[in-house]
Amino acid sequence: EAGVTQFPSHSVIEKGQTVTLRCDPISGHDNLYWYRRVMGKEIKFLLHFVKESKQDESGMPNNRFLAERTGGTYSTLKVQPAELEDSGVYFCASSQDSGAYNEQFFGPGTRLTVL
Amino acid sequence: AQSVTQLGSHVSVSEGALVLLRCNYSSSVPPYLFWYVQYPNQGLQLLLKYTSAATLVKGINGFEAEFKKSETSFHLTKPSAHMSDAAEYFCAVRMGGYQKVTFGTGTKLQVIP
Repeated sequence: EAGVTQFPSHSVIEKGQTVTLRCDPISGHDNLYWYRRVMGKEIKFLLHFVKESKQDESGMPNNRFLAERTGGTYSTLKVQPAELEDSGVYFCASSQDSGAYNEQFFGPGTRLTVL
Repeated sequence: AQSVTQLGSHVSVSEGALVLLRCNYSSSVPPYLFWYVQYPNQGLQLLLKYTSAATLVKGINGFEAEFKKSETSFHLTKPSAHMSDAAEYFCAVRMGGYQKVTFGTGTKLQVIP
């Protein structure tokens, strides 16, 4: 069974440009999460989808970030326009249900560098 | 509110020596606690999780962690380090009823031959 996949693995863009990150969760997982790790700091929660609905987007830093999950399958995270402080590793995770001990399975991350 | 503190951003041990990675948590309600590991160029992998069934939790690759409520700690240990244990380790906490996981800043483990 394939794990969580993310594309691209690396992205280098200039300040002001737009970047779209994609996450494909494990098949059948209704829950999808985005996290971000800025260099040297902790991994921080961005948002949580249940199917196509945003369940919790309390961690989204500002309105330059837009996450979508049309059809409840893969998700995209768009940053527009990108700023220097957006650089970091963006992780996606998925889980089968929302139970108390549900395990979130993480993808390898997308390393975003904004110059 | 919930938070996690990992003491030591870098830890070095000799091969065969005890591994001890420290984690203290803060949570207003009984927490769910996790340890994740990230090997180079890979995603986060769950090592073990505390589910309140037992205070001593055994995970993969010979790791274990003990939940100590009085000390608000969830330290990760392994009796004998192996070269393949070199990775970054993250302690994490989740409050019941909420899905988001709060991570510590991570500890990079170096194993010296």
